[in-house]
Amino acid sequence: ETGVTQTPRHLVMGMTNKKSLKCEQHLGHNAMYWYKQSAKKPLELMFVYSLEERVENNSVPSRFSPECPNSSHLFLHLHTLQPEDSALYLCASSQEVATGELFFGEGSRLTVL
Amino acid sequence: DQQVKQNSPSLSVQEGRISILNCDYTNSMFDYFLWYKKYPAEGPTFLISISSIKDKNEDGRFTVFLNKSAKHLSLHIVPSQPGDSAVYFCAASGSGGSNYKLTFGKGTLLTVNP
Repeated sequence: ETGVTQTPRHLVMGMTNKKSLKCEQHLGHNAMYWYKQSAKKPLELMFVYSLEERVENNSVPSRFSPECPNSSHLFLHLHTLQPEDSALYLCASSQEVATGELFFGEGSRLTVL
Repeated sequence: DQQVKQNSPSLSVQEGRISILNCDYTNSMFDYFLWYKKYPAEGPTFLISISSIKDKNEDGRFTVFLNKSAKHLSLHIVPSQPGDSAVYFCAASGSGGSNYKLTFGKGTLLTVNP
C-alpha cells in the first residue's frame, strides 16, 4: 500500500469510447503525475501537476486530457484512442514537484480494441 | 535516443550472493539518480537514490555506486534474497527547470534463486 490508489485496475475500450482513469493520493503530497508504460519501453512522463496546476505536458496527444480538481485527485480522460495507446498508465505523487522520490499507484492496464 | 540505459534485461543470482545491476546514462546534466523496484501487478516503489556530489550511498543491503566520469551507476544487493526478485528501474533527473522530469531505463528483471 503506497498511499496512491488508481481505478480501474483494468480497462478495455473501443476506439470511439470515452473513459476516465482516476487517481487518489492519501499522502498529503503537492505534486501528481501520469506516466505511461508500454511494452518493452521505459516509463514515459505524460503530465505533471503541482498544487492543481499543470506544469508539464510532455507532447501528449490531445486524445489524453488530464484533470486535477485538487491536490489529492488526478484524472486522465480518454477519448478516441488508438490501439497503440494500450499500455499501463501509472499515477504517482511526490511531496513537491522537484523531488524524484515518487510514490506510484498500482497502475491501470488499458487495452484499446 | 535513450538517455538512461539498462543493457541487461535480466539477471539471475543465487540466494546469499551479490546482485549487481548496472545503468548507464548519456546526459551530462543528470545530477540525481534513483533506483525503483517493481513487483508484478504493483507500481514501482522507490528504493535508493544518490546525488552527483556523492559516489556511494548505502541503505541496509542496498548500495548504489556512481561513477560520473563513466556516466555509470550500479546497484549492489548483498546478500540477495528471493524476495528481491523484481524488475529494477534506474532513473535520472537533471538540474534546472525540469528537474522533476525523471528519465527511466527499461528495467532489469532480477531473479534470486533459493
